[in-house]
Parts: sequence; structure tokens; C-alpha cells
Amino acid sequence: DGGITQSPKYLFRKEGQNVTLSCEQNLNHDAMYWYRQDPGQGLRLIYYSQIVNDFQKGDIAEGYSVSREKKESFPLTVTSAQKNPTAFYLCASSQTVNTEAFFGQGTRLTVV
Amino acid sequence: KQEVTQIPAALSVPEGENLVLNCSFTDSAIYNLQWFRQDPGKGLTSLLLIQSSQREQTSGRLNASLDKSSGRSTLYIAASQPGDSATYLCAVKRLSGNNDMRFGAGTRLTVKP
Repeated sequence: DGGITQSPKYLFRKEGQNVTLSCEQNLNHDAMYWYRQDPGQGLRLIYYSQIVNDFQKGDIAEGYSVSREKKESFPLTVTSAQKNPTAFYLCASSQTVNTEAFFGQGTRLTVV
Repeated sequence: KQEVTQIPAALSVPEGENLVLNCSFTDSAIYNLQWFRQDPGKGLTSLLLIQSSQREQTSGRLNASLDKSSGRSTLYIAASQPGDSATYLCAVKRLSGNNDMRFGAGTRLTVKP
């Protein structure tokens, strides 16, 4: 069935490591987004992509990187430059920038 | 800069009660407003999407209204049930900047049996 799949559900990172979070969608959506959610706060945009091979920084892009080589995939790498990476990460997609957005089930990243 | 505020932060009601959740935003230049539901530790589930030209949308026991000029939206839940317990988030899609969604911090709803 159609939807957005994020993996893994839980991820543990050691200090100084880079880790990559996966986001795959089979909705044929052009736009994809990565958000970060911290307790008691709203979601904050990390990166977004409106089309394949193009992506833009959001409000909190520092310490993160993305790629958009395929329409259905938008992986997020959390680099060692991200000083406070422990959070819940959510991926979303929409047909275009002004249509309904759908979210994956999230990845919880913890630094150990 | 678009700011989105949701009041109250938490709400507890007895089963069967009708209730209203509020969302306000500072910039009326929006494409749309979307209401989501989030269960603990889960992703967001889309409930209703209201385009900027629309006044309201309905789905089952849910009704969302939009007053773009005053920067307000409400989510009305009729005959609440314990299964409605969750955090409800509103998000506005901006016309300018990143065209991204700006989220409120959410209202945590508890419906007591």
C-alpha cells in the first residue's frame, strides 16, 4: 500500500559518528521534507526538496546533509557537526508545495 | 516571519463532550492550513486540509474552519471519544520563503471515559 516509510525506527549514534536516516515514498510526490521534533516544541524544517536533484536548506540545516537522486528517496545524514542531534526526525512528502502533506512514522535518534 | 500558536497546550474533557482547539498565525499569506493528529512516539496523521480560498472542511466528527484575515483556525471535535486522545497540530503552508509548513507546538487532548 502507498505511503512514506522511514527507517530505522530507533537509531543510536556515538559521539563523532555520521548516521543516515532513510525516507522512501511510493506516492509519486515531487516534494519531500525533513523535520525535527523536540519535546514541547513544534516541528522545525531541516531540508526540503521540490524536485529530483534539487534541495534547499530549512531553518536548522547546520550539521545535516541530504540528497535527492531519486524521486522516491530523500535520505538525511546527521553529521558529527550537529552538536545536539538527539530528537525525533520526521519525513514528509506532498504532490506539490501547496497540496496535502503526508508523514512517515519517524526515527528516534539518540546519542550515546 | 510566520508564527503559529496553539491554545490551550493541554485539554482534558469527559467522553461525549464537544470541544474546540485553536490555532492562530501571524502572516495571512498562506497556501493552506492543515490539521494533524500525533499519537505518542508516532508520526503525524493528516486530518483536514483547508486551502486559503476555503472557509471550512469537514470529515466525520471533525470540522475545521479558517479565517485567513484574522489569522485563525479552529478544529471542532464532536462527541469526543477516548480514542481521540492525542496531540493535535496545526500547520500553515507559507506563500513565501521556503513554502514550507510552519507548525504550532500542539494541543495535547485527553478524553476521559
